[in-house]
Amino acid sequence: EVQLLESGGGLVQPGGSLRLSCAASGFSFSGYAMTWVRQAPGKGLNWVSSISTSGGTTYYADSVKGRFTISRDNPRNTVYLQMNNLRDEDTAIYYCAKAYGGSGGFFRLIDYWGQGTLVTVSS
Amino acid sequence: DIQMTQSPSSLSASVGDRVTISCRASQGIGNYLAWFQQKPGKAPRLLIYGASTLQSGVPSKFSGSGSGTDFTLTISSLQSEDFGTYYCQHYDSYPLTFGGGTKVEIK
Repeated sequence: EVQLLESGGGLVQPGGSLRLSCAASGFSFSGYAMTWVRQAPGKGLNWVSSISTSGGTTYYADSVKGRFTISRDNPRNTVYLQMNNLRDEDTAIYYCAKAYGGSGGFFRLIDYWGQGTLVTVSS
Repeated sequence: DIQMTQSPSSLSASVGDRVTISCRASQGIGNYLAWFQQKPGKAPRLLIYGASTLQSGVPSKFSGSGSGTDFTLTISSLQSEDFGTYYCQHYDSYPLTFGGGTKVEIK
């Protein structure tokens, strides 16, 4: 059974930093791209970032480019999201998500989601 | 960036009704279209990918159609457990974008 367990969320002041972690199990982690998606309270879903199987290729939404960094540790089956210079508008539930596959269109298709971790940016 | 527009934004239907949700892409995306269901306080669940392929374990009452820019999600016979918000999402290229969601309520 695929399981994705996010951690690291919490309350942080504007300009602060947080690192989210997502521990994966139930599948061959190194064979799948991984993605972070966020959802502001009461709002819709917004893609944040994705990373290739090896970690060598990363993608970011314009709203977080230069502030967030996605990375992965394949031996530890974990993907991370380092968030710096946080803003009020970054307040959201952050979901870790598994790609359907490791290449082509399936690299970008999400098939499993974690339960999310709440990040609140407020003074 | 590709914009995804869903309609309606909400609907209320009775058990047994046929429900249709539309999604339009601002440019052609082939069949790189997925549908997700999200219930309150829960993570989204993949229902359909490739515009019309049912994800494993998803009931056959759900179906998808379309290609290019216009897509549809149909629930053939609405049941009480189908309440929630439904999102379309393209995966043609980065950045990935979602539709604004359709909230489905049971009358």
